[in-house]
Amino acid sequence: QSALTQPPSASGSPGQSVTISCTGTSSDVGDYNYVSWYQQHPGKAPKLMIYEVSKRPSGVPDRFSGSKSGNTASLTVSGLQAEDEADYYCSSYAARNNVAFGGGTKLTVL
Amino acid sequence: EVQLVESGGGLVQPGGSLRLSCVVSEITLSNYWMNWVRQAPGKGLEWVANIKQDGSEKYYVDSVKGRFTISRDNAKNSLYLQMNSLRAEDTAVYYCARNRLSLDDWGQGTLVTVSS
Repeated sequence: QSALTQPPSASGSPGQSVTISCTGTSSDVGDYNYVSWYQQHPGKAPKLMIYEVSKRPSGVPDRFSGSKSGNTASLTVSGLQAEDEADYYCSSYAARNNVAFGGGTKLTVL
Repeated sequence: EVQLVESGGGLVQPGGSLRLSCVVSEITLSNYWMNWVRQAPGKGLEWVANIKQDGSEKYYVDSVKGRFTISRDNAKNSLYLQMNSLRAEDTAVYYCARNRLSLDDWGQGTLVTVSS
């Protein structure tokens, strides 16, 4: 049950775009289109931002988008806003009905 | 609006036991897989366990197998996590979360501290 690999930090200025990567293996990200992304503000519960690689739940701004290529998934935040500053976690359905999470990326809006 | 409310956390000595509960409202629990996810202080998210709608399938992260048991009572709209033989490394905020392939809704979490 290996964790997915994310960069520990990312940053961008207001209005810019930032992309966060999430690298797994052929047993999780590469084998299933069930990659999700979660936003977590300090002291708060995680919030689902992207599911099934690129779908947005109702209420999530279209500034948030997801994609996948091979064993690597990506979250792009366009038109950065101050409220986007948070920790972001990817997850993937994995073999044997497990769920793998990434280590998290702290997004800073400069 | 879906609500998930965890309870049962607290301070427990190493080797001790604790039972967490999660009460769900505004949805019919029996329609969904449910999960427990934990987050150690200052660390990332770790999936702990999940359970099928009727309780017939349960899956665990290796580190808790044989020590933790996930269960549910759909009639009470409740999810549980029985934690035995607790270790210091089990210290974390424990969240319940709805669904299987994506965790659509989360509770606010309950803190479990394992320390002597």
